[in-house]
Order: sequence, then C-alpha cells, then structure tokens
Amino acid sequence: RKEVEQDPGPFNVPEGATVAFNCTYSNSASQSFFWYRQDCRKEPKLLMSVYSSGNEDGRFTAQLNRASQYISLLIRDSKLSDSATYLCVVNAMRFGAGTRLTVKP
Amino acid sequence: NAGVTQTPKFQVLKTGQSMTLQCAQDMNHNSMYWYRQDPGMGLRLIYYSASEGTTDKGEVPNGYNVSRLNKREFSLRLESAAPSQTSVYFCASSSYQAGNQPQHFGDGTRLSIL
Repeated sequence: RKEVEQDPGPFNVPEGATVAFNCTYSNSASQSFFWYRQDCRKEPKLLMSVYSSGNEDGRFTAQLNRASQYISLLIRDSKLSDSATYLCVVNAMRFGAGTRLTVKP
Repeated sequence: NAGVTQTPKFQVLKTGQSMTLQCAQDMNHNSMYWYRQDPGMGLRLIYYSASEGTTDKGEVPNGYNVSRLNKREFSLRLESAAPSQTSVYFCASSSYQAGNQPQHFGDGTRLSIL
C-alpha cells in the first residue's frame, strides 16, 4: 500500500460546481498535512495547510479525519482558474500522485 | 523575490555522463530537498538536508549524491546517468524539516537521458 494515495481523476466539473477530493495516508503517526496545487509543467505551490480542527480559506476547505486516516479538500464555486492538479502531502515530504481537476465553462 | 532557484532548466545527457543540478534559496531556510517527478507517480523524495552539514536519503536515493554546500545551496549529482533517471527534478526548501513547515519549490529541471 502506498503511503499517500489519491484518486487520480480526472475530475471534470462545470464552473460554479462544488468538488471534493480525498487523500488517504497509511502512517497513523503522521503529524503534518498540506494541499498543494500544481499547474501543468510548473512547480507545486502551497494551497493550504490542514489543521486538526479543519480550516477554510475563501472557497477552499480542508479537513482531517485521523480516525479514518484521510484528508479532504473541498472547492466551492469552482472557477476556470482552479483547473490544476491537487497534491496532498503528509509529514511534509510524502506526496500523493495528485488529483487532476478540469473546470469547464 | 527569487525564492528557490534551480539551474539548469533543461538538460539532455547521454547514458553514462555525469551532471550536477544546482539549487539555491534566499529565504534563510534551514532545510532543503530534492525530488523527482515522473508521470503518474507524484513527487518522490531523493535526498534531503534538515540543516546545514547534514544530508539524509529519501525514498529513491540510488544513483544520486548530494552536497549541502552551505545554508543556501544544495546540489544533486548524477555520477553515471541512466535512461531511468529521465525526469523532472524539483528542489525545495522549508524553515525546518520537522513540524508543520510547508516547502517552497524551484521551477524544476527537465532532464532527459538518451
């Protein structure tokens, strides 16, 4: 089993839709969690950290479920500019393979 | 605002050639990292340096060596390049390796081994 697993997608959604991604991790002792965004042929960029109590940044909401060992990312009111690959990261150095999102007009 | 700078951006090598990828950060970060990214595989950690003077192996260190030259610079060396090392290489840095510290990435080196 991979240490960090994501549904690769692609997720194809219309503008304005709400979309959610999950990411599961195998190490129950994991302490830090992040979501990164990666545009095609570009470097990953930090989208948001994931805190135990859940956190929100504008249209983006991140949650952590320690009991089931997964983190989630919810994007509300999707924009065309949200089209990218979303990477979850566990313990700062373990990356998932990414979930590809395409938002269509 | 340079952040993390990688050189070169592109390189083509022949099998068996050697090469050093350079990385420098100007954010006064303690920790630095080298990853490779292959299609469908996400980023895999090659080596990291938690602080100046230390280096540690990551998931896929075979065929690579690193040098933490000083606090700013962390280089990755391929001693004898193989086609399996064709990949996009990213360097990253963070304040500290431990704890809830996100990483900042350079814009990558695209390396092809023929």
